[in-house]
Amino acid sequence: GPKVLQIPSHQIIDMGQMVTLNCDPVSNHLYFYWYKQILGQQMEFLVNFYNGKVMEKSKLFKDQFSVERPDGSYFTLKIQPTALEDSAVYFCASSQGQNQAPLFGEGTRLSVL
Amino acid sequence: GDSVTQTEGLVTLTEGLPVMLNCTYQSTYSPFLFWYVQHLNEAPKLLLKSFTDNKRPEHQGFHATLHKSSSSFHLQKSSAQLSDSALYYCALSPNTGYQNFYFGKGTSLTVIP
Repeated sequence: GPKVLQIPSHQIIDMGQMVTLNCDPVSNHLYFYWYKQILGQQMEFLVNFYNGKVMEKSKLFKDQFSVERPDGSYFTLKIQPTALEDSAVYFCASSQGQNQAPLFGEGTRLSVL
Repeated sequence: GDSVTQTEGLVTLTEGLPVMLNCTYQSTYSPFLFWYVQHLNEAPKLLLKSFTDNKRPEHQGFHATLHKSSSSFHLQKSSAQLSDSALYYCALSPNTGYQNFYFGKGTSLTVIP
């Protein structure tokens, strides 16, 4: 079946560096999401994206965060600069819309040292 | 605004006993409700989605009934299995024609022998 792919599965970087997390959503999906999950805790909404724009973002979506999907390529989450508290698993999800359940990727584990 | 409430953060059950995980919601519209299940170190996966015609969705022995009068969509199973141990999220899509998706805080279910 369709899959949301996240690349890489694990990323280790030093605090203060920039990181880009890549998501390859399902090809005919129109809505894209990022969620953050700290180890052992609940999953928390960061941002959703439609038609080239951020539609809604949470308080967790700090100024250091940005998202884009240039020309239908990867849907990316960029963090610049990173902080220790950004260490978490980041899940990307996509959906067709119209009350369709988002399909989640396997997540990218980000470790900020 | 739209929101989902899961009152139990942690539920521990003995194998074979019935499962009921609570989910209530607030929405201005007639939303669609969903249950997702997340096993350890995996992505959340769709378990159930509410129907518009009051049918009761079922999957893997789980079922849930949307009660508009009480704004609830509780997840139930007649007999818990060890493999049901996971994190369960209730989620809502407001059915406004614009796709947004709100998760509850999640309930961690542990089934013991």
